[in-house]
Amino acid sequence: DAGVIQSPRHEVTEMGQEVTLRCKPISGHNSLFWYRQTMMRGLELLIYFNNNVPIDDSGMPEDRFSAKMPNASFSTLKIQPSEPRDSAVYFCASSSLAGVGNEQFFGPGTRLTVL
Amino acid sequence: QQPVQSPQAVILREGEDAVINCSSSKALYSVHWYRQKHGEAPVFLMILLKGGEQKGHEKISASFNEKKQQSSLYLTASQLSYSGTYFCGTEYDFGNEKLTFGTGTRLTIIP
Repeated sequence: DAGVIQSPRHEVTEMGQEVTLRCKPISGHNSLFWYRQTMMRGLELLIYFNNNVPIDDSGMPEDRFSAKMPNASFSTLKIQPSEPRDSAVYFCASSSLAGVGNEQFFGPGTRLTVL
Repeated sequence: QQPVQSPQAVILREGEDAVINCSSSKALYSVHWYRQKHGEAPVFLMILLKGGEQKGHEKISASFNEKKQQSSLYLTASQLSYSGTYFCGTEYDFGNEKLTFGTGTRLTIIP
């Protein structure tokens, strides 16, 4: 199994530009999570989907952030317009809701730098 | 509310033991433990569920005190490969998979 796939791995953009991060979960997993990690705030959940439906988006910082999951094998996190404070590592993770207390498998992350 | 981990950092020699604690101000349904090496993604270690069930790697042990809303991760006979930052993640409600991660504990193992 290829694991969770994220692209791009690195993104450098200028303030005001639109940024789109992509994630392919592990096949057969039906929950998908977007996290952001910074030194100041640690690892924080932005949003998670179950069966392609957003369940909890309380961590999405503001309207500039949006996430979609059009099908079971693809999700995007979009930032428009981007700001320097959005610079962080963004992780996507997936899990299989087969039982309770489910292990989350993390992708390699996208390191975003907004200048 | 973010769970609080202690200590924030610890340095050990190979073969020594360590305990990492995770404390929540809210009642917990489960506690997850992950390890993250520098520049890499977090990797699952263990889940402890309300009621006593555990899932995880055989070489890692942990405890979950539901009453005190605390969990501890025990690393015995540490190896160089144990170095990294350890995070606890807490689930507060059954069926809600949202994890709130703790502040992290940086563990350094020296030869």
